[in-house]
Amino acid sequence: AQKVTQAQTEISVVEKEDVTLDCVYETRDTTYYLFWYKQPPSGELVFLIRRNSFDEQNEISGRYSWNFQKSTSSFNFTITASQVVDSAVYFCALSGALNAGNMLTFGGGTRLMVKP
Amino acid sequence: DTGVSQNPRHKITKRGQNVTFRCDPISEHNRLYWYRQTLGQGPEFLTYFQNEAQLEKSRLLSDRFSAERPKGSFSTLEIQRTEQGDSAMYLCASSRDFQETQYFGPGTRLLVL
Repeated sequence: AQKVTQAQTEISVVEKEDVTLDCVYETRDTTYYLFWYKQPPSGELVFLIRRNSFDEQNEISGRYSWNFQKSTSSFNFTITASQVVDSAVYFCALSGALNAGNMLTFGGGTRLMVKP
Repeated sequence: DTGVSQNPRHKITKRGQNVTFRCDPISEHNRLYWYRQTLGQGPEFLTYFQNEAQLEKSRLLSDRFSAERPKGSFSTLEIQRTEQGDSAMYLCASSRDFQETQYFGPGTRLLVL
């Protein structure tokens, strides 16, 4: 069985603050993929990043960065110098690479509110 | 590529009525997934297709739900005899193939009165 936990249900920050969204996962698969998606008020899930379980290198993309630590089963997401447009619900998700279906297991999401 | 599209975007229906949603995946994507998202929760897997074959169904998919993907292109999800508990956002996603990233459509928000 797979499980993704996002313990922070809601975070509120002031613009230009840095913010980290936590994600902890459980899986018995030795090969798996981790994802982050953004869901703005419009409702569409926007893909942000995918990492496979063999690649523990941290990744930076503009103001976004991701910290993957297999030892603690965590895949945390940091937004540097947050902006109002970053306000959304963010979901962490997991799929087992050997599962033929590759269906995603999502966490409950973290609602980020960035105030001007 | 144009993205995944879904129609309608919103649907209000009375309990007991049948509803049908449509999903058009990204062109040449072989896999198509349906998820359901209730308020304040993450999406949950319902079913998926590899081309026209429906390969897996979640236990969330009761016998009132049926999905098709004729000719391996667009897909439809039908809910018969809707119940208030069916009120949710129904999300469609597609991926090029096995182990590829899933891209989501805007969803269909269903409200059953």
